Amino acid sequence: GAVVSQHPSWVICKSGTSVKIECRSLDFQATTMFWYRQFPKQSLMLMATSNEGSKATYEQGVEKDKFLINHASLTLSTLTVTSAHPEDSSFYICSASLTTQGTEAFFGQGTRLTVV
Amino acid sequence: DQQVKQNSPSLSVQEGRISILNCDYTNSMFDYFLWYKKYPAEGPTFLISISSIKDKNEDGRFTVFLNKSAKHLSLHIVPSQPGDSAVYFCAARLNQAGTALIFGKGTTLSVSS
Repeated sequence: GAVVSQHPSWVICKSGTSVKIECRSLDFQATTMFWYRQFPKQSLMLMATSNEGSKATYEQGVEKDKFLINHASLTLSTLTVTSAHPEDSSFYICSASLTTQGTEAFFGQGTRLTVV
Repeated sequence: DQQVKQNSPSLSVQEGRISILNCDYTNSMFDYFLWYKKYPAEGPTFLISISSIKDKNEDGRFTVFLNKSAKHLSLHIVPSQPGDSAVYFCAARLNQAGTALIFGKGTTLSVSS
């Protein structure tokens, strides 16, 4: 299947700093990528839809100024958690689809963010 | 309001027996359903999917059944193996280009030898 690579796989940062997470589609071009967040024993909650060359679409309740998304190329989307706080600690996962229909989404390995 | 529901948070099965994981949904506009397997601290891995125009799809030990009238789908794993122990997520997609998947909360499957 297609490969989506996410980096870093884990990061610990101090409260108030910013953290950037990268999501790359390694062997295909993804016009649309999705960012999810998962709390322990909870579902994967969609945060935003990232479209190449345009502004991301954020889900209700997700602060766009806090979670900056950039999708500058067909193979790379980045999520920057700005001024991170302990409550932002979570597991962040990106996914990309082979077609705009997205019948099968491929996921990155996820990033465990811990804010201390 | 959850559109995709997995009401059983956990399931324990003996090796060799059948595992049945259930999923219910509320939105009749979903046109595609998928099952993902996930280990801790890893991204989900695609297992099997089914289009809303079908009622069954089989791939090796995995079979997904869809009952549209009941808005219910299930994943059957037979025979179950210890390596199948993981969290299984049911996901659905709206009949709309470029939309994200909507996930259930997951069911933790434990297969004992």
